[in-house]
Amino acid sequence: QSALTQPASVSGSPGQSITISCTGTSSDVGGYNYVSWYQQHPGKAPKLMIYEVSNRPSGVSNRFSGSKSGNTASLTISGLQAEDEANYYCSSYTTSSTLPYWVFGGGTKMTVL
Amino acid sequence: QVHLVESGGGVVQCGGSLRLSCAASGFTFSIYGMHWVRQAPGKGLEWVAFIRYDGSNKYYTDSVKGRFTISRDNSKNTLYLQMNSLRPEDTAVYYCAKHVHSGSYYGDWGQGTLVTVSS
Repeated sequence: QSALTQPASVSGSPGQSITISCTGTSSDVGGYNYVSWYQQHPGKAPKLMIYEVSNRPSGVSNRFSGSKSGNTASLTISGLQAEDEANYYCSSYTTSSTLPYWVFGGGTKMTVL
Repeated sequence: QVHLVESGGGVVQCGGSLRLSCAASGFTFSIYGMHWVRQAPGKGLEWVAFIRYDGSNKYYTDSVKGRFTISRDNSKNTLYLQMNSLRPEDTAVYYCAKHVHSGSYYGDWGQGTLVTVSS
């Protein structure tokens, strides 16, 4: 199974919006609405930001939103704040030889200018 | 509040073994599937293994099949990862994570434990 494809880095100024893409195939991102996104600050554990493509857990700011079109999912952060600077990972459920499998994207370093 | 605490990491020689533990609290451990996810130094996240809530099914990423075994003791609210025939490329921080079945995602994470395999 191949990892999902994310841009290595994105950046934006405070108050702006940025979008991080996550491209897979019809066997993972395109085949299931089981895409999730995680935020990870250096030295910390990942934190769930979006699940099932576009749902936010309680406690996550509504500045974070998710969507999907075909084999590509996207995470949008609006009204950028300094504390949003972190690494972001997408993940999708898939199968390998009919067995459950989970794949991550390579991660995107998001910098607030 | 969900609390997951990994332990058992350390430095081990190539070809050696190590057993990681993940102590769970704050939720009904016995009704949730659990994952191990790892992160090599400076690299991204990689799913390692999953076990169903009752231990009836276990799944592994290809690179650890035959070497790693995931297990659980629901009476102790503890998840395990037995790692044998360790290789330098297994060096990583290992996280345990609670599986949310409805959306197939990692709902909560531990703080991680570092495994270093020396050659």
